[in-house]
Amino acid sequence: GDSVTQMEGPVTLSEEAFLTINCTYTATGYPSLFWYVQYPGEGLQLLLKATKADDKGSNKGFEATYRKETTSFHLEKGSVQVSDSAVYFCALTGANSKLTFGKGITLSVRP
Amino acid sequence: NAGVTQTPKFRILKIGQSMTLQCTQDMNHNYMYWYRQDPGMGLKLIYYSVGAGITDKGEVPNGYNVSRSTTEDFPLRLELAAPSQTSVYFCASRRQGGGEKLFFGSGTQLSVL
Repeated sequence: GDSVTQMEGPVTLSEEAFLTINCTYTATGYPSLFWYVQYPGEGLQLLLKATKADDKGSNKGFEATYRKETTSFHLEKGSVQVSDSAVYFCALTGANSKLTFGKGITLSVRP
Repeated sequence: NAGVTQTPKFRILKIGQSMTLQCTQDMNHNYMYWYRQDPGMGLKLIYYSVGAGITDKGEVPNGYNVSRSTTEDFPLRLELAAPSQTSVYFCASRRQGGGEKLFFGSGTQLSVL
């Protein structure tokens, strides 16, 4: 079945540091790929998405590129802020309409 | 615009009790989902529905039941609560289409003691 693998966390960075969170996937066909973010005490909300190979999703300074050859969708941001502290989930929608999530990774940004 | 509304926000149950977690959405979405979130384990799909009258099991359906009599509502039923069902539960919905994003409710924190 479909699966999403995220790098182990947690991650702690200083403000203005560069961020990379790795995500790889296994799926049949051509899945859509997503990054969701969860702020403390809230539900998840969409951060960005890509629906086909080589597409780049971007939002709030975050970017991720759909790499079919490496089955990856790594999340990057050039300069993180304290307000980016949250839990980040990589996810995919497969052929069966189910959304499969990775385990999530906690990001803490120090001032 | 309410979006996805879940009730209650918090609940404590005794072992063996039953309860229903309510979920309603006002966006006319066909697809609805129930997830549970446990620390360090991400989100696990319990049940999902692609339209009124249609439901299907996810990864962890045991101990739960659902129904989808209307497009708007997708309640989750726990018949005999067990400590293993202590978790945070999220309902979500989306439009049909692989690239469509999920809209999440604010969650229900359930403790079974």
